[in-house]
Amino acid sequence: DTAVSQTPKYLVTQMGNDKSIKCEQNLGHDTMYWYKQDSKKFLKIMFSYNNKELIINETVPNRFSPKSPDKAHLNLHINSLELGDSAVYFCASSSKNIQYFGAGTRLSVL
Amino acid sequence: QKEVEQNSGPLSVPEGAIASLNCTYSDRGSQSFFWYRQYSGKSPELIMFIYSNGDKEDGRFTAQLNKASQYVSLLIRDSQPSDSATYLCAVNRQGSSNTGKLIFGQGTTLQVKP
Repeated sequence: DTAVSQTPKYLVTQMGNDKSIKCEQNLGHDTMYWYKQDSKKFLKIMFSYNNKELIINETVPNRFSPKSPDKAHLNLHINSLELGDSAVYFCASSSKNIQYFGAGTRLSVL
Repeated sequence: QKEVEQNSGPLSVPEGAIASLNCTYSDRGSQSFFWYRQYSGKSPELIMFIYSNGDKEDGRFTAQLNKASQYVSLLIRDSQPSDSATYLCAVNRQGSSNTGKLIFGQGTTLQVKP
């Protein structure tokens, strides 16, 4: 009965590959987010969607492309993966401005 | 200057003591303030939020906000070994009714020793 669920939990891939991470929330929230947490544990927002509309787009390489097919889903596609993309990616959703995080996807680029 | 600053620690306290975690922020327009706890290998979990100057208490946790000094803190009374985690301070320019982006500090690692 997970509120914000992400798949996969772990992702190991080679440089240059393309991969996707999926996120779904069953909380009925209108807003969803993608965050990146680097090896120093610094958590930084990448994107936010409100009712399928992009509202926050931070300075992120355009190899990263979010897609929100409906307000309960927000996916992240990454093209041409690089070593520096290795991190934990968290999805979150919010009601007003209280954010709830998914369990994270640990991406390792070899 | 980082937008949200925390001492990375580790902060080590004995079991039963009060742990005091501090955070400063640079944007005077910030309106809402959050403390998240993150256990190693897990996701951030909301502990407290505060919007107004002063103290807000919830069980063993007290959040303190001083907007004039751009300072927010978290006190944990009667610290337990299970409180050992990284505590993330986060700040939002938006008020309680609006969405917006959270700006996180780098987190303070707390170690509670039995």
